[in-house]
Amino acid sequence: GAVVSQHPSWVICKSGTSVKIECRSLDFQATTMFWYRQFPKQSLMLMATSNEGSKATYEQGVEKDKFLINHASLTLSTLTVTSAHPEDSSFYICSASPRTNTGELFFGEGSRLTVL
Amino acid sequence: GIQVEQSPPDLILQEGANSTLRCNFSDSVNNLQWFHQNPWGQLINLFYIPSGTKQNGRLSATTVATERYSLLYISSSQTTDSGVYFCAVRLGDMRFGAGTRLTVKP
Repeated sequence: GAVVSQHPSWVICKSGTSVKIECRSLDFQATTMFWYRQFPKQSLMLMATSNEGSKATYEQGVEKDKFLINHASLTLSTLTVTSAHPEDSSFYICSASPRTNTGELFFGEGSRLTVL
Repeated sequence: GIQVEQSPPDLILQEGANSTLRCNFSDSVNNLQWFHQNPWGQLINLFYIPSGTKQNGRLSATTVATERYSLLYISSSQTTDSGVYFCAVRLGDMRFGAGTRLTVKP
């Protein structure tokens, strides 16, 4: 199957700093990628849909100025958590599909963010 | 948006037992996938099953799209099957159910 890779796998940062997480589709092109957040003992919640060459679409309640998404190429989307605070500590997972709107989604390994 | 409901929320089994996990969804979808999340958080893709039946070893899944539900069967469960099982449906973006937390005891 298709491979999606995330980096870093885990990151610890101080409150107030910004953290960038990369999501790459290694063997296919993805015009659309999705970013999810998962708090302990909870399910995955969709944060935003990342569209190559255009602005991301954010879910209700997700601050677009805090979670900056850049989908600069067909194989790379980045999520930047700006001015991170302890409540932003979570597990962030990206996904992508070789086809838009339908078809199987492939998920990255996830990135665990801890904000001190 | 689409609602995805999974049952049961928690399941405790003795090793060797069989189990059935259920996923109901509220609207027609293009895609349905079952995942197993391991202790490190990684999502293991079990089945891509928008309709029909598939089998992979001790696991099988059936989706009845017209009735908006899917079932995941685990036979002869092992302790390594423990973890959280998610059903997710896709109509454009993908939405997850709340998951079933499975514990298999030796």
